Amino acid sequence: DAGVTQSPTHLIKTRGQQVTLRCSPKSGHDTVSWYQQALGQGPQFIFQYYEEEERQRGNFPDRFSGHQFPNYSSELNVNALLLGDSALYLCASSPPSDRGAQYFGPGTRLLVL
Amino acid sequence: AQSVSQHNHHVILSEAASLELGCNYSYGGTVNLFWYVQYPGQHLQLLLKYFSGDPLVKGIKGFEAEFIKSKFSFNLRKPSVQWSDTAEYFCAVNSFSGGYNKLIFGAGTRLAVHP
Repeated sequence: DAGVTQSPTHLIKTRGQQVTLRCSPKSGHDTVSWYQQALGQGPQFIFQYYEEEERQRGNFPDRFSGHQFPNYSSELNVNALLLGDSALYLCASSPPSDRGAQYFGPGTRLLVL
Repeated sequence: AQSVSQHNHHVILSEAASLELGCNYSYGGTVNLFWYVQYPGQHLQLLLKYFSGDPLVKGIKGFEAEFIKSKFSFNLRKPSVQWSDTAEYFCAVNSFSGGYNKLIFGAGTRLAVHP
């Protein structure tokens, strides 16, 4: 049983570009959350998707957007990249039976130059 | 606003020493509390969680944590650490809103265990 998978593992972009990160949840999980982990900090909640809709959002600008597909996989899009967007982006999924539990993927490390 | 505070950013111990990592949270409602661990080069893994009931929670690899409601604390403990416990440890609280939840993390404590 595969856990949460994310792609790509690493990415380098330049300021002003756009990026799309992908996440496949653990089998049987229907809720996907995204977090940003800057160097030396704990993960910060970006948003959460359930039934293909954004259900909650953290303190992130509209440059950060997402999508959830019918198979529960999800994308995180970031437009007009800034140097400060350099971070590890984590995806976490939750099962219907235990929405308090979140299982994390390995993350995508984004470097903005 | 909800927040989580971890007291120590870096901890260095020798093998067999006892460990206690502090965590305090600020949240007015019912809390679910978690400790996650991130081993070098690996993803975040759940160590243990508290939802309700016995405030002393036992997790994997010999870790335990005690929920003290009056102190808004959820400290992580291990009686005897091993070199393999070298990792970063994150305390988190589950914040519920409109039936949905999100995790609020502390800044993390980086633990180095020397053989």
